[in-house]
Amino acid sequence: EPEVTQTPSHQVTQMGQEVILRCVPISNHLYFYWYRQILGQKVEFLVSFYNNEISEKSEIFDDQFSVERPDGSNFTLKIRSTKLEDSAMYFCASRGREAFFGQGTRLTVV
Amino acid sequence: AQTVTQSQPEMSVQEAETVTLSCTYDTSESDYYLFWYKQPPSRQMILVIRQEAYKQQNATENRFSVNFQKAAKSFSLKISDSQLGDAAMYFCAYRSPTQGGSEKLVFGKGTKLTVNP
Repeated sequence: EPEVTQTPSHQVTQMGQEVILRCVPISNHLYFYWYRQILGQKVEFLVSFYNNEISEKSEIFDDQFSVERPDGSNFTLKIRSTKLEDSAMYFCASRGREAFFGQGTRLTVV
Repeated sequence: AQTVTQSQPEMSVQEAETVTLSCTYDTSESDYYLFWYKQPPSRQMILVIRQEAYKQQNATENRFSVNFQKAAKSFSLKISDSQLGDAAMYFCAYRSPTQGGSEKLVFGKGTKLTVNP
C-alpha cells in the first residue's frame, strides 16, 4: 500500500538554526501539505502546494518558512531560523481522493 | 472560516462495547467533506472514515460508522465492539471542495478515547 514517508522521525536543533524536514508523497498525488501539531493541541494547517507553487498558506507560515519540491519527488519544509515555539510534530500529507499523512517529524528546538 | 468543534476532550469505553464521539462544524457551504482521523500514541494520523456532504447515506467502515446530520451540522463517529487497539486520539476534520488546489483540512481539538479491558 502506498504511503507518505517523512524523514527524520525526530530532529533536535538549537534555536536559530535552520532545519529541513523531508517528505516523499504518494507518487500519483498532486496536492501536498504541511501541518503542525504542538504537543497536546490540535493539528494546524501550515501550507498547501500544487503545480509547483504554494496554493494557500496560514498565518503561521511566515517568512521563516519555505517549501519546495526540488526533484519532483521530495517535498521539503525549511525553517530558516528556528524558535523555541517551533517545537512541534510536523506532518506532511499528500492528497488524491483523500489526504494521507506521513508518520510525522518531531522537531525539538532547544 | 470553517470551524470544527469536538466537545468531548476525553471518553472511555469498555472493551466490546459501543462508543460515540461527537463533532459539530460551522460552514456556509453546501458541498464539503468530513473525516475522522485516528492518532494512536505513535502520533501518526490514520484516516478512519470519510463522508461526502451530498450523500445522505451514512458512511460505514467495518466497526466504524458515522451519523451525519447535515441540517444540524453534526458528524458523530460510532465505534462498535471496541477493541484495545482503538485507544487513540480521534480528530474530526472538515474539507471544502474549493477550486484552485488547496482544500486544506480543518481539524477539531480531538477526543482522547480510552478502552478499558
